Amino acid sequence: AQKVTQAQTEISVVEKEDVTLDCVYETRDTTYYLFWYKQPPSGELVFLIRRNSFDEQNEISGRYSWNFQKSTSSFNFTITASQVVDSAVYFCALRPLRAINSGNTPLVFGKGTRLSVIA
Amino acid sequence: DSGVTQTPKHLITATGQRVTLRCSPRSGDLSVYWYQQSLDQGLQFLIHYYNGEERAKGNILERFSAQQFPDLHSELNLSSLELGDSALYFCASSVGDNEVGTEAFFGQGTRLTVV
Repeated sequence: AQKVTQAQTEISVVEKEDVTLDCVYETRDTTYYLFWYKQPPSGELVFLIRRNSFDEQNEISGRYSWNFQKSTSSFNFTITASQVVDSAVYFCALRPLRAINSGNTPLVFGKGTRLSVIA
Repeated sequence: DSGVTQTPKHLITATGQRVTLRCSPRSGDLSVYWYQQSLDQGLQFLIHYYNGEERAKGNILERFSAQQFPDLHSELNLSSLELGDSALYFCASSVGDNEVGTEAFFGQGTRLTVV
């Protein structure tokens, strides 16, 4: 079974603080993809990043960085120097890669972490 | 803008009624996925269509059905609506059926309120 746990339900930080959102996943598949999505107050889901299970290199994109550790089944997301516009619900998701011709598998989402950045 | 269009954005209807939610995928995408986001269940996969054919089913109730048309747009039909069906319904699309690591691009969602 696939499962994604985001233990932090809500986080509140003051602007310019760094914040890390935790994501722990469970899967028996050896090949899988991990995703982060942002859901701002307007409601849409915005794709942020995708990582595959064979690539443990950490990634940085501007103020965003992601730490993938296969040994602990974690894919944490850090926002540096947070801004009010970062206030949103952030979802971590997992997609196992099945055998060819088995059909694409849907995303399994965590419950999300609501981040509030206070000015 | 993800390129995925969902209509309507908001829908208010009474219990027992039937509604149809519509999704137009990004240009060139053949796969359409439907997800339901409710307060208690979070984001859950409902159903996946690829090029007009149903490919996978998730936690979709029998009162719900979907289809994908030849022009690749999809409709999600919800019938005999109950208060608990109130949720945000998302459509997502991707290019293929099983390509490596495809991220699904999501529409803005349809917020359904059953009163």
